[in-house]
Amino acid sequence: DTAVSQTPKYLVTQMGNDKSIKCEQNLGHDTMYWYKQDSKKFLKIMFSYNNKELIINETVPNRFSPKSPDKAHLNLHINSLELGDSAVYFCASSQVTGPPRGTQYFGPGTRLLVL
Amino acid sequence: RKEVEQDPGPFNVPEGATVAFNCTYSNSASQSFFWYRQDCRKEPKLLMSVYSSGNEDGRFTAQLNRASQYISLLIRDSKLSDSATYLCVVNRGAAGNKLTFGGGTRVLVKP
Repeated sequence: DTAVSQTPKYLVTQMGNDKSIKCEQNLGHDTMYWYKQDSKKFLKIMFSYNNKELIINETVPNRFSPKSPDKAHLNLHINSLELGDSAVYFCASSQVTGPPRGTQYFGPGTRLLVL
Repeated sequence: RKEVEQDPGPFNVPEGATVAFNCTYSNSASQSFFWYRQDCRKEPKLLMSVYSSGNEDGRFTAQLNRASQYISLLIRDSKLSDSATYLCVVNRGAAGNKLTFGGGTRVLVKP
C-alpha cells in the first residue's frame, strides 16, 4: 500500500496555465509538506500544514496556494505557471510529536515541465 | 553561506571499499539530524537519524560533532546498490519540524 501518493506523476503544460497537484497520505500523520526540488537538486520546503492549519509558509510566490481539506490530504494549486516553476514537487508527511523528531515520508514526486 | 553544506561529489568507490563524507551546518541551535538517501528520479527516503553518541545501522555509521557543527556518514563494504545521493538534513526544532536539506553527496559504487 502506498504511504504517500501524489497525482499526477508528470505534468507538462504551457506558460500561463493553472494546474493542481494532489497529495494523500494513509500513515495517520498530522503534518504534511510541499517541497520543490529544482534542476540543481536542492530540496526546499514550500509549505507545511498541521491538522489542516498552515504552519510553514516559506518565501514562495503567491501564485502557489496550498489547500488541506483534511489532515490526510494536501493539494497544491499553481496559477499562471512560469518557466521557472519547472521542477519536481514532493509531498511529505510526518507525525510531529513522534520520535525521532522530524522524520518525514515522501511521495514519489510530480515532475512539472512548463513550456 | 548555505545552512547545510555538502561536497556534491561524485565519490567513486570500488565495490567492497569504505567511503566517508561530511556535512556542515551553520545553525548551532539545530536539534536533530538525519541522513536521507535519494536514488535517481526517486523520492528521498530516511536512511538514519544521527545521535550525539554516534550510531550504526548495519554497514552505515553516522557521527555528530556539535562543537564543530558537522555530521558524517561512513559506509563500509560498499555495495553497488549503495550508489545514490546522500542528503544531510537538519531540524532546527522550529514549529512544524522544518527540515533543511543539504544539496547532497553523490556516491557511485563501481565493480
